[in-house]
Amino acid sequence: NAGVMQNPRHLVRRRGQEARLRCSPMKGHSHVYWYRQLPEEGLKFMVYLQKENIIDESGMPKERFSAEFPKEGPSILRIQQVVRGDSAAYFCASSPPGGSYGYTFGSGTRLTVV
Amino acid sequence: SQELEQSPQSLIVQEGKNLTINCTSSKTLYGLYWYKQKYGEGLIFLMMLQKGGEEKSHEKITAKLDEKKQQSSLHITASQPSHAGIYLCGADIGGGSNYKLTFGKGTLLTVNP
Repeated sequence: NAGVMQNPRHLVRRRGQEARLRCSPMKGHSHVYWYRQLPEEGLKFMVYLQKENIIDESGMPKERFSAEFPKEGPSILRIQQVVRGDSAAYFCASSPPGGSYGYTFGSGTRLTVV
Repeated sequence: SQELEQSPQSLIVQEGKNLTINCTSSKTLYGLYWYKQKYGEGLIFLMMLQKGGEEKSHEKITAKLDEKKQQSSLHITASQPSHAGIYLCGADIGGGSNYKLTFGKGTLLTVNP
């Protein structure tokens, strides 16, 4: 039973490019959460999605960041026109229907903007 | 200010020694999680505590929740090099959202053989 799968594990982008981070939840999990871990800071909640719905995006930066969880396929966190300050580890977690208790995290994608 | 404060920030112990990591909230806790993170890797779930006074153990790791003090402690008995890593506490703070976790900055544990 595969856990939460994130890819790529490492991503290098030049300033101004787009970054696409993918997250496949655990089998049977229909809720996906994205967190960002900046250097020297704790994990920060970004967004909570269910299939085809954004439930809470209160932690998402207002510009350049978007997330989706389509009916088919993985959840995607998209960062347009990346800047150096976007360099961080981005973690995805999933949970079964009914709420978060039972969060399982993926191994993360480490984004480096050069 | 940080809503979840962890102490100490880092800790170096000799193998076999006991240690305690604390996590203190500035707001009401509605569920407290402990995770372990190896550098450059993902988070491994350790334990979840929900009720005041609750205590859970897994192998040599014990976690307690003091609801009145809004604090949780993680205690490792007879530490081993395999315990080394970053310990993170995460909690549903204040709002009872049931999904949004606030995390501390972590405690870096080094266990010397």
